[in-house]
Amino acid sequence: NAGVTQTPKFQVLKTGQSMTLQCAQDMNHEYMSWYRQDPGMGLRLIHYSVGAGITDQGEVPNGYNVSRSTTEDFPLRLLSAAPSQTSVYFCASSFSGGRETQYFGPGTRLLVL
Amino acid sequence: EDQVTQSPEALRLQEGESSSLNCSYTVSGLRGLFWYRQDPGKGPEFLFTLYSAGEEKEKERLKATLTKKESFLHITAPKPEDSATYLCAVRPISSGSARQLTFGSGTQLTVLP
Repeated sequence: NAGVTQTPKFQVLKTGQSMTLQCAQDMNHEYMSWYRQDPGMGLRLIHYSVGAGITDQGEVPNGYNVSRSTTEDFPLRLLSAAPSQTSVYFCASSFSGGRETQYFGPGTRLLVL
Repeated sequence: EDQVTQSPEALRLQEGESSSLNCSYTVSGLRGLFWYRQDPGKGPEFLFTLYSAGEEKEKERLKATLTKKESFLHITAPKPEDSATYLCAVRPISSGSARQLTFGSGTQLTVLP
């Protein structure tokens, strides 16, 4: 199993540009989520999905869109990048159920100029 | 408000010098407490899940314990390869389908040869 994979590893954007961060998992996990990690703030939940076709907002959803057309993939879209979105983005997945553990991908480092 | 505080922020140990990392938490109800290891430029790597006070988990030189207000990660006879940032996270019962993890800011551990 490859686990949770993310692409690209690093991206530079100009303010106002759009892009999609890719996330895929091969563990047949129902639950997938996106976090951002900023210095001194810990990881914060952006959006999550409990299954194909079902998504919802997390703690910091503004400026981001998600969709879940398959169990395996959960892309994160930045509609109009802003410098405040400079961060490291992590995708995570887990089984559904009571005491599931979330497994994280390697991250995408994003710089918005 | 759910809160996780990790201490110390940074810890430097000599190889073989045992110590403990602390994770204090405040949640309305705990569904699970998670420990992750994060190496520079990588995603968080799952270590342990603890569910109830008194529970302990071990893996090689690491042992995690849980009380009603805090968790400790004990490192016995550490080696340089144990150097990393250790993250603590809680999943409150109130997180519902979001399964949102509330993370601490981490303890950066450096083990000197």
